[in-house]
Amino acid sequence: GAGVSQSPSNKVTEKGKDVELRCDPISGHTALYWYRQSLGQGLEFLIYFQGNSAPDKSGLPSDRFSAERTGGSVSTLTIQRTQQEDSAVYLCASSSDTGELFFGEGSRLTVL
Amino acid sequence: GQNIDQPTEMTATEGAIVQINCTYQTSGFNGLFWYQQHAGEAPTFLSYNVLDGLEEKGRFSSFLSRSKGYSYLLLKELQMKDSASYLCAVRVISGGYNKLIFGAGTRLAVHP
Repeated sequence: GAGVSQSPSNKVTEKGKDVELRCDPISGHTALYWYRQSLGQGLEFLIYFQGNSAPDKSGLPSDRFSAERTGGSVSTLTIQRTQQEDSAVYLCASSSDTGELFFGEGSRLTVL
Repeated sequence: GQNIDQPTEMTATEGAIVQINCTYQTSGFNGLFWYQQHAGEAPTFLSYNVLDGLEEKGRFSSFLSRSKGYSYLLLKELQMKDSASYLCAVRVISGGYNKLIFGAGTRLAVHP
């Protein structure tokens, strides 16, 4: 597609369940970012990929959070044993060498 | 550490000019971005500065002073549709790769 695609757009889950969020970046973009945005707040950096490797995982809030990227393209963010404080919009962005980030529409996660 | 500061909220009148300031303390500075985010939508790119000075793009201009760790976004001839959050983001080089760090954003309300 022409833009960054994220799925699901909305996810409601029960506390303790695992969730997977998917990001399909713009074709040819080598860099991929995951951010989290709580209601009315700024963007919190989670993890960054260059190709398939993640040189910076410093933003992951806990070991319940993990992410992978395969084939230099699609990335999956997994949250295990979800907690209510995990409720937020999870934004994925990709960029080429110019550095401008193109964002997806986000996945809104609600943990009941 | 990395720190980016911008005002939380601003209000302005339709047709007027507004300046949104951003100050940063970062290591490995490699450019500054401004993004616009309407409520419930993904951020969209507005401007990019890597050298000192003013970059103009239509009604929007962005200024950078690297020695002062300071940038501003200038919006002219304000329209109601400019009501949004404006995110200042600094690109830093860390461990040989680029990372984009966002400020908390400035919510701008434009009133008639």
